[in-house]
Amino acid sequence: DADVTQTPRNRITKTGKRIMLECSQTKGHDRMYWYRQDPGLGLRLIYYSFDVKDINKGEISDGYSVSRQAQAKFSLSLESAIPNQTALYFCATSAPGLNQPQHFGDGTRLSIL
Amino acid sequence: QQQVKQSPQSLIVQKGGISIINCAYENTAFDYFPWYQQFPGKGPALLIAIRPDVSEKKEGRFTISFNKSAKQFSLHIMDSQPGDSATYFCAASMLGSARQLTFGSGTQLTVLP
Repeated sequence: DADVTQTPRNRITKTGKRIMLECSQTKGHDRMYWYRQDPGLGLRLIYYSFDVKDINKGEISDGYSVSRQAQAKFSLSLESAIPNQTALYFCATSAPGLNQPQHFGDGTRLSIL
Repeated sequence: QQQVKQSPQSLIVQKGGISIINCAYENTAFDYFPWYQQFPGKGPALLIAIRPDVSEKKEGRFTISFNKSAKQFSLHIMDSQPGDSATYFCAASMLGSARQLTFGSGTQLTVLP
C-alpha cells in the first residue's frame, strides 16, 4: 500500500463546482503539503501544515483552502473551481527536522471545464 | 518570479551517454539543494541533495556539482540508461522559509536504447 494516498486520482468537473481533494498518509509524519504541477512551471506550493493546528499559505493559495482533519489527513478544497485551476495536484509529507525529504503521493489530475 | 531556473526543458540522450541538467538561483539565502525524480503517473521522489559547503556529491551514477560563486548547480547522470527516462526537478530551500522547497520548471529526460 502507498504511504501517501491521494483521492481521487482523476476528476473532471465544471466551472463553479466545489471540489475536495483528499490526502492520507501512513508515514506518521507531522508535516503535510499541497502542490500543483503545471507544464513548464514545475511544482508550486499551495498550502502546508506542520501539525493539526498549524496551517500556512504557500506561494499560490488564492482560490484554495485546506483542512487538516488529523495528523494523517490533509484535504484541499476549491470552493468555486475555474478552468485555470486545471492541473496535476500533489500531496506530500515530511518528518520534522532539518532538510527532511518530502514524500509525494501519485497525484490527482484535475480538469475543470 | 521564478527563483530557480532550470534548463534544458527537455533532453534526449543515447544509452551510455552523460545527461546534464542545469539550475541557477538568485537568492543567496538558499542553503539546501535537492533533486527530485518523477516517473510518469507518479509523484516526485528525492534523488540526491547537496549543501553549499561542498562542491560535489556523488551517489552511484548521479552527481551534483555546485558552484556557489556562480549560484549554479547541476545534475550529471553518468552511463545514462533507458530506466533513467523521467522528469527531473531541481529545488532549493532556506532557513526562515519554514524550509519550503522552491522548484525549478523540470527537465524531461529521454534515454534512447
